[in-house]
Amino acid sequence: LAKTTQPISMDSYEGQEVNITCSHNNIATNDYITWYQQFPSQGPRFIIQGYKTKVTNEVASLFIPADRKSSTLSLPRVSLSDTAVYYCLVGDRRAGAGSYQLTFGKGTKLSVIP
Amino acid sequence: DADVTQTPRNRITKTGKRIMLECSQTKGHDRMYWYRQDPGLGLRLIYYSFDVKDINKGEISDGYSVSRQAQAKFSLSLESAIPNQTALYFCATSDWDRSSTDTQYFGPGTRLTVL
Repeated sequence: LAKTTQPISMDSYEGQEVNITCSHNNIATNDYITWYQQFPSQGPRFIIQGYKTKVTNEVASLFIPADRKSSTLSLPRVSLSDTAVYYCLVGDRRAGAGSYQLTFGKGTKLSVIP
Repeated sequence: DADVTQTPRNRITKTGKRIMLECSQTKGHDRMYWYRQDPGLGLRLIYYSFDVKDINKGEISDGYSVSRQAQAKFSLSLESAIPNQTALYFCATSDWDRSSTDTQYFGPGTRLTVL
């Protein structure tokens, strides 16, 4: 089971680019990297998923180096509404019943300052 | 996500009582999950089900049981509630195939307080 390590918290000013790095040193060959966002008293929401190199969507970018032992979620020009907890998950999304291993951990609390 | 509903949204109960939390989904997904969230601890998986006939224990299943009554319904029971089961409970669904991300869609949560 690939364990992930993220910073507990980060602060950023509005309009800045925010990069949150997740370490996953024992990532397995079939593991994908997935990020979720959670606002207070709401369930997490999927942001982005990747396997290698770079993935970009309308919300964020995900950078994964060649060794895949870490990944960086990049949020461009954050606003106050981006204040949330961000979770990095690593696991085999194809895992069958009895072997599901994706876990959320404690996440990174991002605070965006005016 | 309005496609995943949880009832009740809030519940206060006493130690020793039996409690059932219900989850329904209209997304047509096969996979369903129950998580609990405690302050500062992130989300922890209680049980998960990949189809109607499949039930699996998660990280913290002790003290809980589940029932998958239909593809759309997944209930979580606390047979004899205790105060350290006070938490925010989330139900989630996902629809995996080889081409998908297996994205999980979460319900609004149930805040349970055990006195």
